[in-house]
Order: sequence, then structure tokens, then C-alpha cells
Amino acid sequence: DTGVSQNPRHKITKRGQNVTFRCDPISEHNRLYWYRQTLGQGPEFLTYFQNEAQLEKSRLLSDRFSAERPKGSFSTLEIQRTEQGDSAMYLCASSLVSTGELFFGEGSRLTVL
Amino acid sequence: GDSVTQMEGPVTLSEEAFLTINCTYTATGYPSLFWYVQYPGEGLQLLLKATKADDKGSNKGFEATYRKETTSFHLEKGSVQVSDSAVYFCALSDFGQGAQKLVFGQGTRLTINP
Repeated sequence: DTGVSQNPRHKITKRGQNVTFRCDPISEHNRLYWYRQTLGQGPEFLTYFQNEAQLEKSRLLSDRFSAERPKGSFSTLEIQRTEQGDSAMYLCASSLVSTGELFFGEGSRLTVL
Repeated sequence: GDSVTQMEGPVTLSEEAFLTINCTYTATGYPSLFWYVQYPGEGLQLLLKATKADDKGSNKGFEATYRKETTSFHLEKGSVQVSDSAVYFCALSDFGQGAQKLVFGQGTRLTINP
């Protein structure tokens, strides 16, 4: 296992389209996090899962955003009716509950035209 | 809410120079403090951490001391190398909120010239 994997690495879409990102965490990690990073800023927390349960969502996560982790393994982040303001890098991270250290993927960059 | 403020970049230094990147925080609880590094084309990596006041985190020649009295966690390295060129993020986490939900600073881009 080489770490947290995110796909696609870059997505260009037109305003109003739906996009979905996938994250495959480190296999034994039971926590999974989504963050968003805009240009020149640090990452901002969006949501996290413990196993398949989504335990917290940030106010940044509008109704157009939905995240799932159906079997407690991989996760998807879907953005419906994309807007130009959604353009950002979407980062996934995973961790063990016991150690808490987050391991980040390389991110999925979204460009909304 | 909790927040982290880092010195603005970009920072450009010559090889073997001394590095300091300032970081201060605001938190209601007793957070853990972290420095993450993002090398070009790679994901964020944990560089070092400190979990309580007066703890010193260290890794790869970098150090930072958790100063509760000044609410600071400045990153230092005595002699930087070209390979240290990256973006550095200071972050905090308040485990009292039930999970390691990180609050990041805006990042400081460091460039080391040979």
C-alpha cells in the first residue's frame, strides 16, 4: 500500500455540471477526511467519516456537496451544479483512531469554467 | 473559532542560511500543534508535532517549540538545503472536539537558492 490515492487528479468542467471525486485511503485506516484548498490558502475541513459513518460536516459543505463512504473503505465526494467558486484542490486524508496522524493524498484539482 | 496565522511568504534564502517561519494560534482549548510540508507535486506530509506546552517537535533538522504563553509554534532550521524548498503549513487540532480536525494557516512558500 503506497498511501492515500485520489482520482481524478484534475477535472475541468463547465458551470452547472456534476463532478465526483474518489478517495482510497490507507487500507487499515478507519477515519477519512475531506478538505478543500483554494489558491494561496491552507486546507479547510469539509467532513470526516469514521468507518462508514459521516460524523461531522463543516458549514462550508453546502447542499450541493455530498460525501459517502459506503463500506467504510473508499469515499466519494460529489458536487452538483458546480459553480466557479467551487474551483479548488480537494484533499483526502486518512488516519487511525488510535494514532490520529493524518496522511494526505495528492489531491484532486477542480476547475469550473 | 480556532485560527492559525503564519508569516506571509514567499521566503527566499540561500543554502545554509538559518530559517524561521513564524506561527501563532488562537484556540479555546488545549490544542496539539503541527507543521506540515508540501513539496512540489506531492501531498501534504506531517513534518513535526507537539501535543502540550513546552514540548519540542523535531524532524529532518527542523524544530518547533509549543509556547503557550505566546501562543506560538515557530518553525526553525539551522542550515537549510535546496531540497527544503516547499510550502510549509502550521496547523492546530483540538482533540476535545472528538476528532483530529485540523485548522491550517495559509502556508508559507520557501525557496532555497544554491
